[in-house]
Amino acid sequence: ILNVEQSPQSLHVQEGDSTNFTCSFPSSNFYALHWYRWETAKSPEALFVMTLNGDEKKKGRISATLNTKEGYSYLYIKGSQPEDSATYLCASQFAGGTSYGKLTFGQGTILTVHP
Amino acid sequence: DAGVIQSPRHEVTEMGQEVTLRCKPISGHDYLFWYRQTMMRGLELLIYFNNNVPIDDSGMPEDRFSAKMPNASFSTLKIQPSEPRDSAVYFCASRPLRVNTEAFFGQGTRLTVV
Repeated sequence: ILNVEQSPQSLHVQEGDSTNFTCSFPSSNFYALHWYRWETAKSPEALFVMTLNGDEKKKGRISATLNTKEGYSYLYIKGSQPEDSATYLCASQFAGGTSYGKLTFGQGTILTVHP
Repeated sequence: DAGVIQSPRHEVTEMGQEVTLRCKPISGHDYLFWYRQTMMRGLELLIYFNNNVPIDDSGMPEDRFSAKMPNASFSTLKIQPSEPRDSAVYFCASRPLRVNTEAFFGQGTRLTVV
């Protein structure tokens, strides 16, 4: 079983705060790490896909880092805004067998940004 | 492209009835996934296809669930007979074969079995 774990489960911050959450995954047979943003009543939308150890990606106020050797990724949001409120999901791809193509999702971190 | 299209958006059915959920992936995508979202388990992979061939169906809960992909532009997820515990939102997603590519999700089908 290839478990992808996210923490914290939920997070409440004030507008303007910077925040971050963690995604942990088995480092063996790692292939790629995805981050998705999922707003209520919508479908998940991709933020980043990362494959290389040490990789860092940025989109506006949101950035992510990847450590494939120790099996974790951080997602950072700088200066949170109420519109950032959503569930943030990470998903891993693993190499080998039938695991190669599929995305295994964590349970998500629910972020609420209060005005 | 209009994105991944799922139908119906909402389905309410009685226990014991057959339910068929439909998905049209993005043209040219090689992978198609069926996920189920529940409060208890989050986003749970049921089955995925590569070039219309089922690759991993280990997430399909039981024999009441079946999925097909007769061609590159259409897939179905069927539940027969349906039970109240099948109530959930079912998402279809597709993505290309290349490594650094994200999955694109449909709007989901909210299934309620009463």
